[in-house]
Amino acid sequence: DGGITQSPKYLFRKEGQNVTLSCEQNLNHDAMYWYRQDPGQGLRLIYYSQIVNDFQKGDIAEGYSVSREKKESFPLTVTSAQKNPTAFYLCASTTYRIRQGSFQPQHFGDGTRLSIL
Amino acid sequence: AQSVSQHNHHVILSEAASLELGCNYSYGGTVNLFWYVQYPGQHLQLLLKYFSGDPLVKGIKGFEAEFIKSKFSFNLRKPSVQWSDTAEYFCAVNPFQGAQKLVFGQGTRLTINP
Repeated sequence: DGGITQSPKYLFRKEGQNVTLSCEQNLNHDAMYWYRQDPGQGLRLIYYSQIVNDFQKGDIAEGYSVSREKKESFPLTVTSAQKNPTAFYLCASTTYRIRQGSFQPQHFGDGTRLSIL
Repeated sequence: AQSVSQHNHHVILSEAASLELGCNYSYGGTVNLFWYVQYPGQHLQLLLKYFSGDPLVKGIKGFEAEFIKSKFSFNLRKPSVQWSDTAEYFCAVNPFQGAQKLVFGQGTRLTINP
């Protein structure tokens, strides 16, 4: 079955440490996204990428970095500069439907819950 | 600042009650609108979407939503809820042409009592 795989499901980080969250999709989607979900705040966009080797900052990019070396993969690194990294992180993907002239609705992974030790 | 607002943070209903969850946005121009649902322990799933055409859209599991352009609203409705509808519901708007960058509301937690 096609889908989005996020790993690990739970991740613990020590103060001052960088950690990388994995997101892989086999949907052949061009665009991929990282969101952060906090209670009462909905989902906020961290970074997105519409094509390989290109990515754009979202609304809350500070303290995060990404890469998009392959179409299938969009890893997110939470750096030590992110002062409040404890959150639920969601990866999503979509593609543009030429016939309809619009993007498909985004598909989401199961998420990674990051906690600070 | 431009945003998406869901006015109900937590809604508690009994089974068979009718449901309406509010969603308002502040973007002008053409927008695409979505409602997503997150059941406990599961990933976000699309309930329904509006891109163009009939402003009353029907989604999965008996949900529907009405786009009222003059009110910048996209409220979610269901005539009779079930215990299995207990979940968190998110309204999302894509106000950007040429890219799909969703702006989400804060979410509404729905609890259905049997």
